[in-house]
Amino acid sequence: AQTVTQSQPEMSVQEAETVTLSCTYDTSESDYYLFWYKQPPSRQMILVIRQEAYKQQNATENRFSVNFQKAAKSFSLKISDSQLGDAAMYFCAYRYLATSGTYKYIFGTGTRLKVLA
Amino acid sequence: EAQVTQNPRYLITVTGKKLTVTCSQNMNHEYMSWYRQDPGLGLRQIYYSMNVEVTDKGDVPEGYKVSRKEKRNFPLILESPSPNQTSLYFCASSLPGSAYEQYFGPGTRLTVT
Repeated sequence: AQTVTQSQPEMSVQEAETVTLSCTYDTSESDYYLFWYKQPPSRQMILVIRQEAYKQQNATENRFSVNFQKAAKSFSLKISDSQLGDAAMYFCAYRYLATSGTYKYIFGTGTRLKVLA
Repeated sequence: EAQVTQNPRYLITVTGKKLTVTCSQNMNHEYMSWYRQDPGLGLRQIYYSMNVEVTDKGDVPEGYKVSRKEKRNFPLILESPSPNQTSLYFCASSLPGSAYEQYFGPGTRLTVT
C-alpha cells in the first residue's frame, strides 16, 4: 500500500534560521510525483515545491528546497532564512498513476511549523 | 481570475439531512477531486474524476456521492450525513498530465450534529 509518513507533528525555528521537515513514503511505483503543500491559518492549500521521481536533481524554489533520496524513499523540505510568514501546516504528498489510469494522491499527516521572532 | 470555488464555506447541519457541497472551477481542468481533512490524519481523497461522467473512489468514499455532468462542476453529496462526517472538505482540480499541479478550493467546514 502507498503511504506517506511525516514523523514530526510540530517543529519550531528561529526567524532567519534554517529548518528541515521530513517525509518518507512507501511505494512500489517507479514513476510518481512528490509535493510539499503549505496550509496557513487561512486554510488555503498552497503548493510549495514539487519533484518528479525520474529527476535526480533536487527541486528548488527560492528559499525552499528538497532533499530527494529515491532509494531511501525520503523527501525532506528545507526552508532557509525562515520568515514569520512561513508559519503554517506543511503537508507532504505523493501522486501516482493508479491501475484505473487516473492519478491518486496520498497525503501525510502534516507538520506544524512555528517561526519564533 | 483562475480559481476553484466551493459553497458553502461553512455549514452546520443535523444527522440525516441531505446536503450538497458545490465545487466549480474556471480553468477548463479535466481532473477534479474531493478531500477531507481531519486533525492527525492529513488529507484523504474521497472521490476523483478524470472527466465528465468519469468518477472513481478514493480512499474514504463511504457515505459520499459525486457526479460530474459538466466539466467545470463536481458536487459532493452527503445523502444521510452522520457526525463522523464532520470535517474540513477541499475540492481540487488540475489538467490531466503528470506534470500538472492541483489547485485547491478554499475549503468547506462541515459540522454534523
